Amino acid sequence: DTGVSQNPRHKITKRGQNVTFRCDPISEHNRLYWYRQTLGQGPEFLTYFQNEAQLEKSRLLSDRFSAERPKGSFSTLEIQRTEQGDSAMYLCASSSDLAETYNEQFFGPGTRLTVL
Amino acid sequence: GQSLEQPSEVTAVEGAIVQINCTYQTSGFYGLSWYQQHDGGAPTFLSYNALDGLEETGRFSSFLSRSDSYGYLLLQELQMKDSASYFCAVGAAGNKLTFGGGTRVLVKP
Repeated sequence: DTGVSQNPRHKITKRGQNVTFRCDPISEHNRLYWYRQTLGQGPEFLTYFQNEAQLEKSRLLSDRFSAERPKGSFSTLEIQRTEQGDSAMYLCASSSDLAETYNEQFFGPGTRLTVL
Repeated sequence: GQSLEQPSEVTAVEGAIVQINCTYQTSGFYGLSWYQQHDGGAPTFLSYNALDGLEETGRFSSFLSRSDSYGYLLLQELQMKDSASYFCAVGAAGNKLTFGGGTRVLVKP
């Protein structure tokens, strides 16, 4: 078990460009979550998947953001036409159904996005 | 909606005890969790309370009072490595978590 991995770890882009991040969860986990975290704040929920189904998407998430988990394994998060306000750490986490009563999620190291 | 409040910063010396309080407002409650995050690191799970009372895990304990919408994390025998940010989080259906703003704990020698 290698834990949750995310790539890239850092991404610098110019405003208006599209970016895509990848998350590989713990292999036996069927739930996958995306969060965004800015400096000095707690992680903010963006969306989550159970297997390949995207079950919830935050109302704060603009339509420039899209996420997929095509085979119920890895997931991608794409941001189109990036804006400076998108600069943040994007965190991926995974958990299993068995953690229903424990709220225990395993977080990856994050992708730090800087939009210039 | 859901919201959580916790102090922004706490400073203490090695060996001391620190209590981080968390009050929450939520439309649906699936338990209160605590996560630790070191600078530049990922949040890591510390503890979880679904029912009222105290849960102890080594030097860390967590308490919940659902009637008061209140919980706390107790850090005992503080060590330098405990310097980190600590987040309370309430769960919702599907394990979706809503996090507080975090409490930065600074441990001094």
